[in-house]
Amino acid sequence: AQTVTQSQPEMSVQEAETVTLSCTYDTSESNYYLFWYKQPPSRQMILVIRQEAYKQQNATENRFSVNFQKAAKSFSLKISDSQLGDTAMYFCAFMKRSGGADGLTFGKGTHLIIQP
Amino acid sequence: DVKVTQSSRYLVKRTGEKVFLECVQDMDHENMFWYRQDPGLGLRLIYFSYDVKMKEKGDIPEGYSVSREKKERFSLILESASTNQTSMYLCASSFERGASTDTQYFGPGTRLTVL
Repeated sequence: AQTVTQSQPEMSVQEAETVTLSCTYDTSESNYYLFWYKQPPSRQMILVIRQEAYKQQNATENRFSVNFQKAAKSFSLKISDSQLGDTAMYFCAFMKRSGGADGLTFGKGTHLIIQP
Repeated sequence: DVKVTQSSRYLVKRTGEKVFLECVQDMDHENMFWYRQDPGLGLRLIYFSYDVKMKEKGDIPEGYSVSREKKERFSLILESASTNQTSMYLCASSFERGASTDTQYFGPGTRLTVL
């Protein structure tokens, strides 16, 4: 079984600052995907970024980037030039890639607050 | 854009009632999922389906069942609702594994209260 740990229940930063959300995971799988999802107050879960474990290059999506350390089983999310609209719950998630459909294993989430 | 819709945003039911939560996706996705979300626990997988009439148990299937009679629709059933099933329920869908992406797309959620 897989576990995902987000050690920061809540974080608060000023607008335009850079913030890093941490995530560690535990698995015996060698092929898997990692995701960061954002859930704003509207509750709609939105994909922020995704990383395939076999790729060494860290994924980036505009202001969002990850630091993927496979050996350390660490997958942190960096948000640059943070904006008020980034205020949300952020969930780190794991999915094994072993053939057939499979569900996501989520961390407990980090509540990120961007202050004006 | 992928669209996943859920039949209700809010639902209030009585203990012992049979409850149906409906989810529909419009992207011809093979896979569909039901999660429940509780504060401090994140999201946990209840059931998923990889094809019509096929289903697999997730991490917390007790007290729930599912039905998938058509590819676009996946129902979560609480046979006899209990107060500990008060929660937010999220539906998701994705393409079949092996396609260009395994990303799961989520619906807006149903907040169920069992009194």
